[in-house]
Amino acid sequence: AQSVTQPDIHITVSEGASLELRCNYSYGATPYLFWYVQSPGQGLQLLLKYFSGDTLVQGIKGFEAEFKRSQSSFNLRKPSVHWSDAAEYFCAVGPPFGNEKLTFGTGTRLTIIP
Amino acid sequence: DSGVTQTPKHLITATGQRVTLRCSPRSGDLSVYWYQQSLDQGLQFLIQYYNGEERAKGNILERFSAQQFPDLHSELNLSSLELGDSALYFCASSGGAASTDTQYFGPGTRLTVL
Repeated sequence: AQSVTQPDIHITVSEGASLELRCNYSYGATPYLFWYVQSPGQGLQLLLKYFSGDTLVQGIKGFEAEFKRSQSSFNLRKPSVHWSDAAEYFCAVGPPFGNEKLTFGTGTRLTIIP
Repeated sequence: DSGVTQTPKHLITATGQRVTLRCSPRSGDLSVYWYQQSLDQGLQFLIQYYNGEERAKGNILERFSAQQFPDLHSELNLSSLELGDSALYFCASSGGAASTDTQYFGPGTRLTVL
């Protein structure tokens, strides 16, 4: 069965600093990988997704993620965070076929300090 | 704004009761997904409907049921409610049925069972 692990429950960074959120997945083949963001009181919004091809994926709001097959990782990065980036971030994994649906990680809460 | 609407925004009810949550997908989207988000379980996929038919089932309890109507809106029915059913319930929609399709999330319905 597919699974995804986000090892960091809570991360605090200073505004303007760089950010990396970790995501590790478990799946028999190359899965489809997603990062979603959830702002307080809001639903989830897709930041980016990886299906195949270039392992560095660009998303919205200046985010990018890199797929590393050897490490079973799909870490999310941003070179310089803004106060508005404070939110909960979810990594998700889905199979490339079949009816099994997305499995979400437990999320990483990002706090931005001035 | 994702284009997915959910009503009501908040719902407070008592144990043993039954409630119905409603979701209207984005215009043109044929798939509707239901998720439950709780502190202890995280974000869990419950069920998916595609063009009126059940497409995939996740960790949905037998006390819960859903349907998608000809106009493509969906309802999630929760019965014999227990305290542990208190959670945020999200609806998402996508154009197709594949797990790779981008899902657009609604703002959620917060259910409190007293």
